[in-house]
Amino acid sequence: AQSVTQLGSHVSVSEGALVLLRCNYSSSVPPYLFWYVQYPNQGLQLLLKYTSAATLVKGINGFEAEFKKSETSFHLTKPSAHMSDAAEYFCAVSEPWGGYQKVTFGIGTKLQVIP
Amino acid sequence: EAQVTQNPRYLITVTGKKLTVTCSQNMNHEYMSWYRQDPGLGLRQIYYSMNVEVTDKGDVPEGYKVSRKEKRNFPLILESPSPNQTSLYFCASSAGTVYNEQFFGPGTRLTVL
Repeated sequence: AQSVTQLGSHVSVSEGALVLLRCNYSSSVPPYLFWYVQYPNQGLQLLLKYTSAATLVKGINGFEAEFKKSETSFHLTKPSAHMSDAAEYFCAVSEPWGGYQKVTFGIGTKLQVIP
Repeated sequence: EAQVTQNPRYLITVTGKKLTVTCSQNMNHEYMSWYRQDPGLGLRQIYYSMNVEVTDKGDVPEGYKVSRKEKRNFPLILESPSPNQTSLYFCASSAGTVYNEQFFGPGTRLTVL
């Protein structure tokens, strides 16, 4: 099974600053990668996903992620943080499993945005 | 509106008292899963189902049961809950192929005393 590493369980940025949340995966086959966001007291919702069409993927709320095969990374970025971005972010990898999918999540990164 | 619903949202119970958390989706998805979320451990899969009457263990199945008698419903059963099952539980569904995203319910916060 694949694994996902999210460096930094907590990240703090100032409002207006660059957001960078790191994700590395282990995979021997081309991966399908996802970023999900969890706002307080809510379930996870999809931010963006990589399915091999383009290495730079744009998602909702101004977030984007770049797939770098040589670095086995899929880091999430946003040029300018807003207070509303405060949430927990999960990177996930999907692999074929018995004709369906098995999804492995990272441990999550809590983003704090400081006014 | 496409959604996954879970009930109850909050539950406090005592050790050994059987409980069921319901999950329902209205997207005609074949694939459904249950996860638990614990601080520092992220989401861990408990059980999943590929279709009606087809279920399999995830990474942390001990102490849990599931059933899939209808495509839309996937209840999670704790027959004899213990304090180490205190957690935040999420149900999710997807179309099931490797590139499909999962749709999550709002979560059930369970406390076992």
